[in-house]
Amino acid sequence: GQQLNQSPQSMFIQEGEDVSMNCTSSSIFNTWLWYKQEPGEGPVLLIALYKAGELTSNGRLTAQFGITRKDSFLNISASIPSDVGIYFCAPGVTSYDKVIFGPGTSLSVIP
Amino acid sequence: NAGVTQTPKFQVLKTGQSMTLQCAQDMNHEYMSWYRQDPGMGLRLIHYSVGAGITDQGEVPNGYNVSRSTTEDFPLRLLSAAPSQTSVYFCASSYQTTGARNTEAFFGQGTRLTVV
Repeated sequence: GQQLNQSPQSMFIQEGEDVSMNCTSSSIFNTWLWYKQEPGEGPVLLIALYKAGELTSNGRLTAQFGITRKDSFLNISASIPSDVGIYFCAPGVTSYDKVIFGPGTSLSVIP
Repeated sequence: NAGVTQTPKFQVLKTGQSMTLQCAQDMNHEYMSWYRQDPGMGLRLIHYSVGAGITDQGEVPNGYNVSRSTTEDFPLRLLSAAPSQTSVYFCASSYQTTGARNTEAFFGQGTRLTVV
């Protein structure tokens, strides 16, 4: 079945630093989604990727859909305290199948 | 503009008690799912449904039952609560059509369950 891995598992960075995290899958995906979960809340979509090789930005966030369609990368530039949270990757809901999330990358930003 | 609504937000149960976690969405989404979140374990899929009358098991279904009698509602039942079911539970819904770009999952705010 589908299996997702995310690295790193957790990060502690200084405010202003750039952040990179990635997600790898045992399956090929047609859509990659990146979510952020803030403390006490449910995950919320940050960026969606629909095409292999696609590079998409949303403010300070940039995500890329790997060419093999088995991986994706998320970068955050010039981190700020409100970037704190858990970042999850997941495939889009495009088929009659279960949607598994990666284990998440926990980000802490030190002011 | 409710989106996905979960009730209750907090619950304490005694071992062996039963309860139902409610989930309702007003976006006419076909796909609904339940996840549990434990520290360091991410979101693990319990059960999911691709439409009214259709449900299937996820990664960790044991100890939980679901039903989907309407498009809007997807309740999760704990038949005999155990301490191992102490967790935060999230319900999510999504469109699910081949080729559609609107494939993101919308999450509720979670139910924090403690079993003592």
